[in-house]
Amino acid sequence: DVVLTQTPPTLLATIGQSVSISCRSSQSLLHSNGNTYLNWLLQRTGQSPQPLIYLVSKLESGVPNRFSGSGSGTDFTLKISGVEAEDLGVYYCMQFTHYPLTFGSGTKLEIK
Amino acid sequence: EVQLVESGGGLVQPGRSMKLSCAASGFTFSDYYMAWVRQAPKKGLEWVASISYEGSSTYYGDSVKGRFTISRDNAKSTLYLQMNSLRSEDTATYYCASLIPFGYWGQGVMVTVSS
Repeated sequence: DVVLTQTPPTLLATIGQSVSISCRSSQSLLHSNGNTYLNWLLQRTGQSPQPLIYLVSKLESGVPNRFSGSGSGTDFTLKISGVEAEDLGVYYCMQFTHYPLTFGSGTKLEIK
Repeated sequence: EVQLVESGGGLVQPGRSMKLSCAASGFTFSDYYMAWVRQAPKKGLEWVASISYEGSSTYYGDSVKGRFTISRDNAKSTLYLQMNSLRSEDTATYYCASLIPFGYWGQGVMVTVSS
C-alpha cells in the first residue's frame, strides 16, 4: 500500500504568515495515463472534508488563491500564502493513483 | 447547487446489516467516479470503496472486502453502500465523495455498531 507521510503533524501560525505542509509518498504517484492523483483537503472542526486542490496543483472552484500545491513523483507540498483565521483545521493529502486509495495522517493548523 | 446527501445511518447491532444511500444533485452523476470514505471518531480518513462511472468496476479496502458492496443507480443519481456483518470497528462517519472529477463530498452519515 502507498503510505503518505505528512509533516508537520501540527502547525502553529500567526495570521498573515505563510506556511507549508509536506506530503511524501512511499512510491511515485505518477499514473500510467500521465496524471498524478494527489489531492489536498481541509477538514474544519465538526465539518466534512472540503476539497482544496486536485491533480497536485489545480485549485478547486471557490478555493482562495492563497492556497497552492506543488510537487511531483513522491514529494508534494501545500502552501498557504498568508494564513487567515478560517484556515484552521486538519489538512489531509490523499492519493488515488494506486489502489488502495490512501490518506496522509493529517496536519492540524492552529492559529496563534 | 451541487449536493451529495447521505442517509441510512444510525445504531445497529454487531453482525447485522445496513444500507447507506447518497443522493446526488446539481451535476451529471453518471460522469463521476464515486467513492465511500469513512472516519472513525477522533481518527483520520479511510477509503472504503470506489465504483466506476457505469458501475461495472468496483474496488474495496481490505477491512471491508467481502462484507460491503458499493453500487450506483445513475437513473436515480444515487450511490449506495450495502454493509453486512457489521463490526464495532465499522463505527464511523461515512462520506460519499467524487473522485474523478474530484471535488464533491457529502456532509456524512454516522454509523454506530454496538449492542
